[in-house]
Amino acid sequence: NAGVTQTPKFQVLKTGQSMTLQCAQDMNHNSMYWYRQDPGMGLRLIYYSASEGTTDKGEVPNGYNVSRLNKREFSLRLESAAPSQTSVYFCASTPSRGNQPQHFGDGTRLSIL
Amino acid sequence: GNSVTQMEGPVTLSEEAFLTINCTYTATGYPSLFWYVQYPGEGLQLLLKATKADDKGSNKGFEATYRKETTSFHLEKGSVQVSDSAVYFCALSDNSGGSNYKLTFGKGTLLTVNP
Repeated sequence: NAGVTQTPKFQVLKTGQSMTLQCAQDMNHNSMYWYRQDPGMGLRLIYYSASEGTTDKGEVPNGYNVSRLNKREFSLRLESAAPSQTSVYFCASTPSRGNQPQHFGDGTRLSIL
Repeated sequence: GNSVTQMEGPVTLSEEAFLTINCTYTATGYPSLFWYVQYPGEGLQLLLKATKADDKGSNKGFEATYRKETTSFHLEKGSVQVSDSAVYFCALSDNSGGSNYKLTFGKGTLLTVNP
């Protein structure tokens, strides 16, 4: 009963390095989302994928790219990490039928020095 | 655009006290409303939801009523416990066509319950 699994749980990067955050769900959900959580800011949507094969920008997409690899997996890539991208990143999924809540992973805590 | 405004914290209560966390929203369509809870070091979990006006969502002693006339969805609990200490997020999902059910979150309210 894994739900939404994110890897890694923690990561420290140097400015300019790149990395990919992985997310996988086993609930056969169509839609997947990436958020960042910063103190006092709530959760802000970075990118989302309404269905396999589609991706769209959210509120704060700059500096990020995403790939919907298949129905289960949705990855987030930082090509050249900046200190402003230090945050906690959450992946979520939902069936995409109306009124269904999103299910969240436990987050990836990313620090960029 | 859509927005959610919830009371700023932190909120500190004694065990068995009454809790209210205010939440108001602005939406262009007919949103569904949610309360999520985040315990330390964890992701968000759905606490309760309401999908139409006058619906009451409830779970684990928490309640919230969807008030369209006041665009509000305040969270209440009659008697809080230490284990309720967490961050609470109010959110809305715009169900209008093309929205892809994206969630708009409030900034979160940290609740600490002391024994």
